[in-house]
Amino acid sequence: DQQVKQNSPSLSVQEGRISILNCDYTNSMFDYFLWYKKYPAEGPTFLISISSIKDKNEDGRFTVFLNKSAKHLSLHIVPSQPGDSAVYFCAARMIYNQGGKLIFGQGTELSVKP
Amino acid sequence: NAGVTQTPKFRILKIGQSMTLQCAQDMNHNYMYWYRQDPGMGLKLIYYSVGAGITDKGEVPNGYNVSRSTTEDFPLRLELAAPSQTSVYFCASNTGTGAREQYFGPGTRLTVT
Repeated sequence: DQQVKQNSPSLSVQEGRISILNCDYTNSMFDYFLWYKKYPAEGPTFLISISSIKDKNEDGRFTVFLNKSAKHLSLHIVPSQPGDSAVYFCAARMIYNQGGKLIFGQGTELSVKP
Repeated sequence: NAGVTQTPKFRILKIGQSMTLQCAQDMNHNYMYWYRQDPGMGLKLIYYSVGAGITDKGEVPNGYNVSRSTTEDFPLRLELAAPSQTSVYFCASNTGTGAREQYFGPGTRLTVT
């Protein structure tokens, strides 16, 4: 039972254009959603998060949008840079979650071409 | 701060062998986690701990054991290794209640043949 899904395994974008990474969830009991970025042979690093009571959060070139009615969130990267090439994981935290556990999607590999 | 450190980086085990994956953090974080990542899959939680002496199972705990005797260390023990345990293992930590983001170590790539 995959509660957090990233249906696109890969995405290729031209440098300078917008990258849009998508994530769907099935459980209404998540209170926070997070995006992590992962380079090969490294651990994931936190990128940006959004509370379930908001619909947008922006940090520099990165913006996360949350559509609660559709149970969908997206990460926008504008403008995309070659250094953004990595695997991006969407993750969700359950309300009243003991231990702060996160549920991760499968990841989307972004390739930004010069 | 070194953050979250993991040893070893790579290991090859034979079926039936045992080993301990080490994880340490120097950020005085209360919560620590072990995940595994299989190819094309997201991270699955194996075990977690909310403080020294307290551990609990995650989604995929079978075949693993943990202990947490200090705040800094959270080793993961594999008993009787099986090919299905071939994976990349990540340790993570955060400050505790209310914290959202987790800080990850660089991972241990384990192959069981």
